[in-house]
Amino acid sequence: ETGVTQTPRHLVMGMTNKKSLKCEQHLGHNAMYWYKQSAKKPLELMFVYSLEERVENNSVPSRFSPECPNSSHLFLHLHTLQPEDSALYLCASSHSGTNYGYTFGSGTRLTVV
Amino acid sequence: DQQVKQNSPSLSVQEGRISILNCDYTNSMFDYFLWYKKYPAEGPTFLISISSIKDKNEDGRFTVFLNKSAKHLSLHIVPSQPGDSAVYFCAASASIQGAQKLVFGQGTRLTINP
Repeated sequence: ETGVTQTPRHLVMGMTNKKSLKCEQHLGHNAMYWYKQSAKKPLELMFVYSLEERVENNSVPSRFSPECPNSSHLFLHLHTLQPEDSALYLCASSHSGTNYGYTFGSGTRLTVV
Repeated sequence: DQQVKQNSPSLSVQEGRISILNCDYTNSMFDYFLWYKKYPAEGPTFLISISSIKDKNEDGRFTVFLNKSAKHLSLHIVPSQPGDSAVYFCAASASIQGAQKLVFGQGTRLTINP
């Protein structure tokens, strides 16, 4: 499979649940990103990983915990979320040293009830 | 404080005519600017980019113009086709430790009418 794959596509979770979003890329990229897209708002950068090191945490609450075990995989662990965390969570990857932008996954539509 | 702004939430254009989408930014440190296109239930897909040292980049029906003094860029699509109907995001890029930090605008929903 090529491109950036995100699973699950849809997730409904309660406020006390723990869940994880998964992202996988097969493009040989060495940087990966999590973005959040809420209704009527621009895409918000959450985390940036470059060569498996976190290089940016954009003031994201600790109930969101990223993990990048290798350059092909990125996770977002979710714990005790709030209803306002309901959004589309997008993963992306890029190759350092280029400026051709990201390749995005299709996203996980998260609903917190 | 929003660093990248797309002030038109929607735009409707007749098929065959030119579509012009606009974007303004505030940070002079951005080194690349990009346009992405997004269909419902899909992630954004890269469309075209421009370096901050250029003022125009063309790729088929798509042309991006950059006016650095005005901190303004625009995407021209000509001729517009029904398949161009989507949400278009403008993004500005800054390098961060080997990665690319993209700051996005709010998006403009383009509708091409037959």
